[in-house]
Amino acid sequence: KAGVTQTPRYLIKTRGQQVTLSCSPISGHRSVSWYQQTPGQGLQFLFEYFSETQRNKGNFPGRFSGRQFSNSRSEMNVSTLELGDSALYLCASSLGSSRFSGNTIYFGEGSWLTVV
Amino acid sequence: QQQVKQSPQSLIVQKGGISIINCAYENTAFDYFPWYQQFPGKGPALLIAIRPDVSEKKEGRFTISFNKSAKQFSLHIMDSQPGDSATYFCAATSTDKLIFGTGTRLQVFP
Repeated sequence: KAGVTQTPRYLIKTRGQQVTLSCSPISGHRSVSWYQQTPGQGLQFLFEYFSETQRNKGNFPGRFSGRQFSNSRSEMNVSTLELGDSALYLCASSLGSSRFSGNTIYFGEGSWLTVV
Repeated sequence: QQQVKQSPQSLIVQKGGISIINCAYENTAFDYFPWYQQFPGKGPALLIAIRPDVSEKKEGRFTISFNKSAKQFSLHIMDSQPGDSATYFCAATSTDKLIFGTGTRLQVFP
């Protein structure tokens, strides 16, 4: 069974631009969640989608948005990039029947975003 | 109230020794406590998890100890091996929250 696949793996953007990251979950998984990982703030939850609906949201500004398609694939978008958005963005998937509690979530290898 | 405090930030252990990482939480709504292991360049992977109705869970060399009254839980790695060198994250979850600890970088020297 293929794992969680994220594209692109590495990208460099200029301040003010926008970026779209893509995530393909494990086959059969209906929940996709996104996380930001930085040395200073650690792992922070961005949002979670289940059956194309945003089910949970972390404390990030509106510049961070996402969506999920009918095949469970997901994208996240960051508009008006700031230097502080430089981070590893991780996608994870799970069967998702009971939101977070007791659900094993499987992470992808992440997309490294550098904003210059 | 949403924080999960993890310590130490880094840990150096000799091969064969015991590695201990501690976490503390405040929100009593948390009901599932997983630990993740992350190697450089990889995403975190679930290592072991526990529910608060159990005081200890063991899987191979990895053991979680859980103290519900103190709102603390810890990961013990017995017979630590160089291959265990990684960053470890504790986490606490409720129905709609998933909060990670700040991570512990473990280095096991031969």
